[in-house]
Amino acid sequence: DTGVSQDPRHKITKRGQNVTFRCDPISEHNRLYWYRQTLGQGPEFLTYFQNEAQLEKSRLLSDRFSAERPKGSFSTLEIQRTEQGDSAMYLCASSRPPTGEQYFGPGTRLTVT
Amino acid sequence: GQQLNQSPQSMFIQEGEDVSMNCTSSSIFNTWLWYKQEPGEGPVLLIALYKAGELTSNGRLTAQFGITRKDSFLNISASIPSDVGIYFCAGRGTGANNLFFGTGTRLTVIP
Repeated sequence: DTGVSQDPRHKITKRGQNVTFRCDPISEHNRLYWYRQTLGQGPEFLTYFQNEAQLEKSRLLSDRFSAERPKGSFSTLEIQRTEQGDSAMYLCASSRPPTGEQYFGPGTRLTVT
Repeated sequence: GQQLNQSPQSMFIQEGEDVSMNCTSSSIFNTWLWYKQEPGEGPVLLIALYKAGELTSNGRLTAQFGITRKDSFLNISASIPSDVGIYFCAGRGTGANNLFFGTGTRLTVIP
């Protein structure tokens, strides 16, 4: 039984560059979530997919952020024109009905220089 | 947004001692979850609670869903060095998909 995986684990980029992260959920989980975590804080919700449909987006998800889950399996999160304030840990989680317990991946640590 | 207050913010305890931490919300939740996070890793689910008053154990960990549905408690008995980490509470409201997280309790266990 494999857990949620994320790639890459670390990403260093220069301000203004675009970055893309990938998340592979637990195979039988149809729900997928993206969260962002900054130092000393708990994770904050960004967006939610049920199968391939993006059903909810947080106000934290600015226009520079876009997420996709084209076939209802893996998901990508892209950040365009990165800013220093985007530096954070980006976490992916997955779940399935009925309990909705969310299982997290190891995260992608983004550093914008 | 929802505000979850977790206390204490940090704890330094001797190995073998019991630990208690709690989480309070300004809103009612219908699910409470407790996670542990170690440096550079994602949160790991420890315990899930679904009913007001529910008491659930997972090994040396015991968590309770408060009667008011606005709070939850986590106890760790006979702490060991590998209990070190940051413990987060998380709650989900009725009809909501996302979790709201507390600010975490950082636990240090002194051997």
